[in-house]
Amino acid sequence: AQSVTQLDSQVPVFEEAPVELRCNYSSSVSVYLFWYVQYPNQGLQLLLKYLSGSTLVKGINGFEAEFNKSQTSFHLRKPSVHISDTAEYFCAVSDGAGNTGKLIFGQGTTLQVKP
Amino acid sequence: ETGVTQSPTHLIKTRGQQVTLRCSSQSGHNTVSWYQQALGQGPQFIFQYYREEENGRGNFPPRFSGLQFPNYSSELNVNALELDDSALYLCASSLGRGSRTDTQYFGPGTRLTVL
Repeated sequence: AQSVTQLDSQVPVFEEAPVELRCNYSSSVSVYLFWYVQYPNQGLQLLLKYLSGSTLVKGINGFEAEFNKSQTSFHLRKPSVHISDTAEYFCAVSDGAGNTGKLIFGQGTTLQVKP
Repeated sequence: ETGVTQSPTHLIKTRGQQVTLRCSSQSGHNTVSWYQQALGQGPQFIFQYYREEENGRGNFPPRFSGLQFPNYSSELNVNALELDDSALYLCASSLGRGSRTDTQYFGPGTRLTVL
């Protein structure tokens, strides 16, 4: 079964600093990866996804992620964060077993942006 | 375009009771997936419905059941509630049957508290 590991449970960072949220996945023949953001008391919103092609994926709100097959990683980055980026971030992989395309999520990383 | 909606927003039940949660899919989507998100955890897949039939199930007991209606809205029913059922229940809709590349669009969730 596929799995996802988010390496940091909390990431504190000052406003306008760069940030990287780390995600590793278990190896598979083909892999489809997603990053979602969850603001307090809300559902999940898709930031970006990797399906194929360019390994650098750009998403909404200035976020980007790089797919690295050799390191089985899909780290999320933003060059300059804002207070409004404070939220929970989830990395997920689409599971091929059972033909549901169900998402398998990591435990989440809390991004705390300080003024 | 209407997004995914869920009702109710919050719900408090006592152990042993039964609960029904509702979800309206995003316009044009025929697949609905349900996830359970315990506090401080990533969402876990409960089951998926495609065109009114169950299309896959996660590791949840039979007291978790569901329905999908002809308009592709959906219900999640939980019988004999246990304290550990306290969680945020998320509904997600997508366009393709179990397609790993489809984006799943999430609703805001229903917060269930079992006392």
